[in-house]
Amino acid sequence: DGGITQSPKYLFRKEGQNVTLSCEQNLNHDAMYWYRQDPGQGLRLIYYSQIVNDFQKGDIAEGYSVSREKKESFPLTVTSAQKNPTAFYLCASSKGEPYNEQFFGPGTRLTVL
Amino acid sequence: DQQVKQNSPSLSVQEGRISILNCDYTNSMFDYFLWYKKYPAEGPTFLISISSIKDKNEDGRFTVFLNKSAKHLSLHIVPSQPGDSAVYFCAARGINTGGFKTIFGAGTRLFVKA
Repeated sequence: DGGITQSPKYLFRKEGQNVTLSCEQNLNHDAMYWYRQDPGQGLRLIYYSQIVNDFQKGDIAEGYSVSREKKESFPLTVTSAQKNPTAFYLCASSKGEPYNEQFFGPGTRLTVL
Repeated sequence: DQQVKQNSPSLSVQEGRISILNCDYTNSMFDYFLWYKKYPAEGPTFLISISSIKDKNEDGRFTVFLNKSAKHLSLHIVPSQPGDSAVYFCAARGINTGGFKTIFGAGTRLFVKA
């Protein structure tokens, strides 16, 4: 079955620690995305990547970093510089052509203690 | 600056009746609009989309209407079913980011009562 996997589903970290969230897709999609969802808010774009070895900042990139070394993988690192990292993080992918719908993973809930 | 607004946080509808979810946008550069459905603790799933060259798109029980002059779109669900109870996100894209960057509204939680 093709799809997007995110692991783990729940993640706890101490304040000041960096943490990396995993996102893998086997849909052969060129584009991948990271979003953050907070209560009562929509999904806000952190970073997106249209092709391997290339990525662009979204609306709230500060305190986050990404890499895209492989087509199927787009890990997100939440650094200690992110002032309010506790949130629900969603990864998505889409075909390389613009205007295609995005397919989302199940999400990772990060809690920083 | 919220470019995509869903002003109703929640909506309650009786089973079998019509559900109408509304969405307003401010950026005239948006030319493609999507609706996603989300259940708790899951990722959103794509529901239906519409290009700015159209004013209506229909897929089974779901119809999206676009009023470009009013910068308003709506999602109609007829008839509503209890399984439709979820959060619905309106989203928009524009040619100025090549169509890859999507702006989401805050969502409307739909309750369909049996």
